[in-house]
Amino acid sequence: EVQLVESGGGLVQPGGSLRLSCAASGFTFSSYAMHWVRQAPGKGLEYVSAISSNGGSTYYANSVKGRFTISRDNSKNTLYLQMGSLRAEDMAVYYCAREANYGASMDVWGQGTTVTVSS
Amino acid sequence: SYELTQPPSVSVSPGQTARITCSGDALPKQYAYWYQQKPGQAPVLVIYKDSERPSGIPERFSGSSSGTTVTLTISGVQAEDEADYYCQSADSSGTYPNWVFGGGTKLTVL
Repeated sequence: EVQLVESGGGLVQPGGSLRLSCAASGFTFSSYAMHWVRQAPGKGLEYVSAISSNGGSTYYANSVKGRFTISRDNSKNTLYLQMGSLRAEDMAVYYCAREANYGASMDVWGQGTTVTVSS
Repeated sequence: SYELTQPPSVSVSPGQTARITCSGDALPKQYAYWYQQKPGQAPVLVIYKDSERPSGIPERFSGSSSGTTVTLTISGVQAEDEADYYCQSADSSGTYPNWVFGGGTKLTVL
């Protein structure tokens, strides 16, 4: 079964850091670009970051550029999102997602991990 | 920044047809994709490349495109279709990180 499982969410103070992980199984992880998408409480989906299949290229939304770092370990089938200088507006459910083979979309999503930024 | 515009809500009775629109200036050049999200769940891709349906998605879900507007149509709406629906596309460059989501449409089945 194709599956993505996020972990690492939790409560962090403003200005703090957190690392999210996304464990992939059931497919050849190293063949796919991967993405992070977030959803603030009661709000819509927001695109956050992407990384190419070999990790050589990374991309960030302007809202997180310079504060977040996406990475992957293909030997461990795991995607990461290192988040720093966290703000209240970063509070959200963070989803990892696999890029689809058939276009600029995401065909497999994890269940999400919740990040709460509060003092 | 590039934006996709959706109506906040659409309501239909069971068995009727629901149409959810998404507008954006780059849609004549870029494909649109649609996701269904039920409360407390992750999004699910229901339409790709404007009108294609992934395997496992019921035939009552279809998509179309005309100019700067794409439309998700759900024929014979069922109670289980009540959810938020998001369109997604890219700006004219089509490259990361310029993928964007619409604001979402809440479909209510009366």
